[in-house]
Amino acid sequence: KQEVTQIPAALSVPEGENLVLNCSFTDSAIYNLQWFRQDPGKGLTSLLLIQSSQREQTSGRLNASLDKSSGRSTLYIAASQPGDSATYLCAVRQSGGSNYKLTFGKGTLLTVNP
Amino acid sequence: GAGVSQTPSNKVTEKGKYVELRCDPISGHTALYWYRQSLGQGPEFLIYFQGTGAADDSGLPNDRFFAVRPEGSVSTLKIQRTERGDSAVYLCASSPSFGTDTQYFGPGTRLTVL
Repeated sequence: KQEVTQIPAALSVPEGENLVLNCSFTDSAIYNLQWFRQDPGKGLTSLLLIQSSQREQTSGRLNASLDKSSGRSTLYIAASQPGDSATYLCAVRQSGGSNYKLTFGKGTLLTVNP
Repeated sequence: GAGVSQTPSNKVTEKGKYVELRCDPISGHTALYWYRQSLGQGPEFLIYFQGTGAADDSGLPNDRFFAVRPEGSVSTLKIQRTERGDSAVYLCASSPSFGTDTQYFGPGTRLTVL
């Protein structure tokens, strides 16, 4: 059974700092990996999706990397802003028959202080 | 509509009562998913619909939970004899067609069972 772990559980940084969020998964047979942002009382917003054949994806100040063989992904946020404060969730989609299911980590609660 | 909508946004009920949670997917999306997010946890898969039929309901925790999608659009998650442990945020997502398409999430329904 796939298990997804996110470290750290919470992170507080001053504005302007660069930071890295970590995600690990136990089964490397994945179809893709996705990073989401969750704001209180709101749904999940997809940030970046990395296919299993890709190594990284970039969008603005965000960069996500994937090392499938070691079961790891990182989300790098450059020049953090208070508006980046949210919970960041990592989710993997298995390859094979149940490839519609997303398996999520517990998330990292990020606070960016002005 | 522009996105996935869910109603109600909040539901408070008493132990033992019956509740219904509604999801309106993005127009034209044939795939629909329900996830449950307990406090401090990531979302967990409950059920996946392709059209009107439940393609996979293996995530439903027990027979008190049931979901329908009679016309292949709106879906209703039904919970009988609610228990305090059912308290969570119930998230709905939809995707255009195949299960491997990107899933778009609604804002969720926060269910509190007293």
